[in-house]
Amino acid sequence: EAGVAQSPRYKIIEKRQSVAFWCNPISGHATLYWYQQILGQGPKLLIQFQNNGVVDDSQLPKDRFSAERLKGVDSTLKIQPAKLEDSAVYLCASSLVEQYFGPGTRLTVT
Amino acid sequence: SQQGEEDPQALSIQEGENATMNCSYKTSINNLQWYRQNSGRGLVHLILIRSNEREKHSGRLRVTLDTSKKSSSLLITASRAADTASYFCATSYGGSQGNLIFGKGTKLSVKP
Repeated sequence: EAGVAQSPRYKIIEKRQSVAFWCNPISGHATLYWYQQILGQGPKLLIQFQNNGVVDDSQLPKDRFSAERLKGVDSTLKIQPAKLEDSAVYLCASSLVEQYFGPGTRLTVT
Repeated sequence: SQQGEEDPQALSIQEGENATMNCSYKTSINNLQWYRQNSGRGLVHLILIRSNEREKHSGRLRVTLDTSKKSSSLLITASRAADTASYFCATSYGGSQGNLIFGKGTKLSVKP
């Protein structure tokens, strides 16, 4: 069974630039999550989708972050404009019950 | 804010020894899960213990849960160098069966 795929694996941008991350969940998993993991901390949930609807986005900084899940499969997370404090690993996970995590995208904002 | 707090923050042991990590949390939970994260890799689910369970085993892993103390422990027996990783507890609470709140993790180093 293929796991959760994410791209790119690494991204370096300057502050105020835009960036987008892509996630392809495990086939058949209706629930998809985006997490932010800052160095030295545990992951923090940004947004949860059930199919293509948003279940929880209470911790998503909506002034600069946006996410969508078209057709209830792939998802993209966008940051516009980026700030230095957005430097982190962005993890995507999908689940039926147990959450399976992708390898993450390491974002560095300079 | 993060729900779980792992203790210790870092642990260094020799291969073959047992490793114990603890997790404390603040509010009532549905279940508590432990994850492992190797350097440069994603999170891997290790074990889930429900709020009505007190102990669970999986291979060399033993997890206990004390809801009266709002704490859990993860024991790895006969550790191996490959167990070197960060270990996180994550709690699922309230009506959100899927939403997890992670602690800051324990960084385990197993020396050959």
